[in-house]
Amino acid sequence: AQSVAQPEDQVNVAEGNPLTVKCTYSVSGNPYLFWYVQYPNRGLQFLLKYITGDNLVKGSYGFEAEFNKSQTSFHLKKPSALVSDSALYFCAVRDSNTDKLIFGTGTRLQVFP
Amino acid sequence: NAGVTQTPKFQVLKTGQSMTLQCAQDMNHNSMYWYRQDPGMGLRLIYYSASEGTTDKGEVPNGYNVSRLNKREFSLRLESAAPSQTSVYFCASSKDTRTATHNQPQHFGDGTRLSIL
Repeated sequence: AQSVAQPEDQVNVAEGNPLTVKCTYSVSGNPYLFWYVQYPNRGLQFLLKYITGDNLVKGSYGFEAEFNKSQTSFHLKKPSALVSDSALYFCAVRDSNTDKLIFGTGTRLQVFP
Repeated sequence: NAGVTQTPKFQVLKTGQSMTLQCAQDMNHNSMYWYRQDPGMGLRLIYYSASEGTTDKGEVPNGYNVSRLNKREFSLRLESAAPSQTSVYFCASSKDTRTATHNQPQHFGDGTRLSIL
């Protein structure tokens, strides 16, 4: 079965430090990968996507993600975390059989001042 | 632009009651989606509509019906609510078409928080 995994329920980081939120996937064929962010009592907001091309994808709010085919990973990164980055982050992958998005279970990022 | 608008924002129902969740988008998007979000389970697709007049089942369609009334509106109906349907429901839309499916970002509403007693 095709799937996406976010192995960490929560990530804690100090403001100004780099952050990484992990995502691994399992799909047949070429993966279409996405990151979304959810703030409290709001819907998900698109951050970035990888369809093809450069393995390093840049997105909104200074976030970027690195596609690694050999490790089947698509980790979200930011060089310097802000307290305002504290939110719930979802990785998603397109299921090549159903053509629907499969979402991970989410990782809560907490950035401390 | 309002984006994706969902109504109501909150609702409490008794078991067996029915209700319709409304969703409208003003971005001229072709595709619309209904998801439910439950703690520890991420988002799960209930139903999907690739265009006006078409709907497809997602991962968890049982107990729900949908209507794609026109290009803007996509409603979700619970005919006989059950406590297991207590959740946060999100509507989303995207530019995706049948020939370019699921490579466009989805735009989400702010959700309907539904409690069923």
